[in-house]
Amino acid sequence: EAGVTQSPTHLIKTRGQQATLRCSPISGHTSVYWYQQALGLGLQFLLWYDEGEERNRGNFPPRFSGRQFPNYSSELNVNALELEDSALYLCASSFETRQLFFGSGTQLSVL
Amino acid sequence: GENVEQHPSTLSVQEGDSAVIKCTYSDSASNYFPWYKQELGKRPQLIIDIRSNVGEKKDQRIAVTLNKTAKHFSLHITETQPEDSAVYFCAASTSGGSYIPTFGRGTSLIVHP
Repeated sequence: EAGVTQSPTHLIKTRGQQATLRCSPISGHTSVYWYQQALGLGLQFLLWYDEGEERNRGNFPPRFSGRQFPNYSSELNVNALELEDSALYLCASSFETRQLFFGSGTQLSVL
Repeated sequence: GENVEQHPSTLSVQEGDSAVIKCTYSDSASNYFPWYKQELGKRPQLIIDIRSNVGEKKDQRIAVTLNKTAKHFSLHITETQPEDSAVYFCAASTSGGSYIPTFGRGTSLIVHP
């Protein structure tokens, strides 16, 4: 069974640009979570999608947004990039259980 | 919202020693407490979890204890091995429709051979 896949692995942008990160959940999983992992700050919750709907969002500005497609894959968009957005962005999926299955992440660097 | 504090941030032990990582949570409604292990350059993976109706759970060399009254839970690793070296994250969440795990900041465990 394929795990959670994320693309791209690395992304380099300059301040003010927009970034799009993608996530494919495990087949059959309907929930997708996005977390930001910045150095020393652990895993900060960004967004939760389930059955195509945004169910909750963390304490991040509106320039962090996303969506979930009918096939349950998901996209995270970050507009007007700032230097402090540099981090590892992790996607996780789940279905009916509370266990999260994480992808390997997208390392976003903002120069 | 929920707040999870995790200590220590770094833990260095000799191979064969025990390691203990402690977490506290703020929301008394939290009832599920997973622990994730993230090896260097890899994705976090669930290693053990505990629900609020249980006080302790063991799985070979790892165990988790929960004190609901004090709102804290701990991860215990016995007979540590170099492959236990990783960052460990605790988390807390509630049941129901708004299940969103809140994570601690992580503990970097270093096991010296």
